[in-house]
Amino acid sequence: SQELEQSPQSLIVQEGKNLTINCTSSKTLYGLYWYKQKYGEGLIFLMMLQKGGEEKSHEKITAKLDEKKQQSSLHITASQPSHAGIYLCGAKGASGGYQKVTFGTGTKLQVIP
Amino acid sequence: NAGVTQTPKFQVLKTGQSMTLQCAQDMNHEYMSWYRQDPGMGLRLIHYSVGAGITDQGEVPNGYNVSRSTTEDFPLRLLSAAPSQTSVYFCASSSVHSGNTIYFGEGSWLTVV
Repeated sequence: SQELEQSPQSLIVQEGKNLTINCTSSKTLYGLYWYKQKYGEGLIFLMMLQKGGEEKSHEKITAKLDEKKQQSSLHITASQPSHAGIYLCGAKGASGGYQKVTFGTGTKLQVIP
Repeated sequence: NAGVTQTPKFQVLKTGQSMTLQCAQDMNHEYMSWYRQDPGMGLRLIHYSVGAGITDQGEVPNGYNVSRSTTEDFPLRLLSAAPSQTSVYFCASSSVHSGNTIYFGEGSWLTVV
């Protein structure tokens, strides 16, 4: 089965600082999701990457997919308190469709004003 | 915009009791899934469905049953609740026609005592 490892597990940054979260897969990535979760709430879709080398941005968040390294990174520029939460990556495996997605254990981000 | 609706939001059960977590989506998505989220474990797939009448097991199916009689509904049944089933449960739906974005419900907090 596919396993996703996220690093770091937790992160505390000063407001205004940049940060990067990594998601490394044990197997080839065929599709990679990034979600954000606030404590006690559901998951908010951020981005989905499907092709090697693909890069997407939404506001101050950029995600990249490195197929060769079986890795994706999520970069936040000039962090704000509103960026605080748990970031989860999810991957579609070789078999099964997008209804069978494996998720990482999450990265907890705290942004200090 | 209802999206994915889960009920109940909170439930306390006694060991051995049975219950059903309801999930409904109004987006005509063919794919629906149930995940559980435990501290340090990320999201783990319990059961999934690729369409009405079709279900399959995910990573952690033991102790749970599902059915998909309609496109809209995907209930999760706990047959005989155990303390190990204390968790947060998320229902999700997606469709190839919606770019495979996975939409999550707000979660159901279940405690088994």
